[in-house]
Amino acid sequence: EIVLTQSPGTLSLSPGERATLSCRASQSVSSSFLAWYQQKPGQAPGLLIYGASSRATGIPDRFSGSGSGTDFTLTISRLEPEDFAVYYCQHYGSSPIFTFGPGTKVDIK
Amino acid sequence: QVQLQESGPGLMKPSETLSLTCTVSGGSISSESYYWNWIRQPAGKGLEWIGHIYHSGSTNYNPSLKSRVTISIDTSKNQLSLKMTSVTAPDTAVYYCARVLWGWYAFDIWGQGTMVTVSS
Repeated sequence: EIVLTQSPGTLSLSPGERATLSCRASQSVSSSFLAWYQQKPGQAPGLLIYGASSRATGIPDRFSGSGSGTDFTLTISRLEPEDFAVYYCQHYGSSPIFTFGPGTKVDIK
Repeated sequence: QVQLQESGPGLMKPSETLSLTCTVSGGSISSESYYWNWIRQPAGKGLEWIGHIYHSGSTNYNPSLKSRVTISIDTSKNQLSLKMTSVTAPDTAVYYCARVLWGWYAFDIWGQGTMVTVSS
């Protein structure tokens, strides 16, 4: 089973700042199978990035994904007030075929 | 656009069997491009994938829950269902249904979730 680790646990930033979130896999994975989600309080998660770097439909270009092997990054170039949320990475693999990281909370400094 | 809506009992007692339904609207559950999933999230915690089903009825489950979980599909009603036996307090969570577009390998559409509380 591939285990995803996200860091930091909490990121305290101000609007307009750049956010860099890390997702590390316990073994090398295909970038095709790595996705990122945003979850706001009381809401279901929403897909941001799939295939490590492809933005989902309607996602602003301030969100970008990168990485390969075991290390993946979600970058928010300039934080907007609506971006303060919890972010999860997710991998498609084998048994269980879908796993999630524990999440990174981006909160207002 | 496609929408997913979960429904369920809300409150349950330990040892009971949980039954949830997800109704798909605005699109066909029989589409060959998608798998239909159940995911849960305990309050304040992370996401756990439970399992999925294809329109053919083919399923795949999380090994940690496989012995207690059955996912089924009713294409005539555009619904998928989850049954989980012998629930206990740790099964208390928000349960989501979600769609995977095969090729993206990611959950592109989610329901709003339904809260299930297991308490005596």
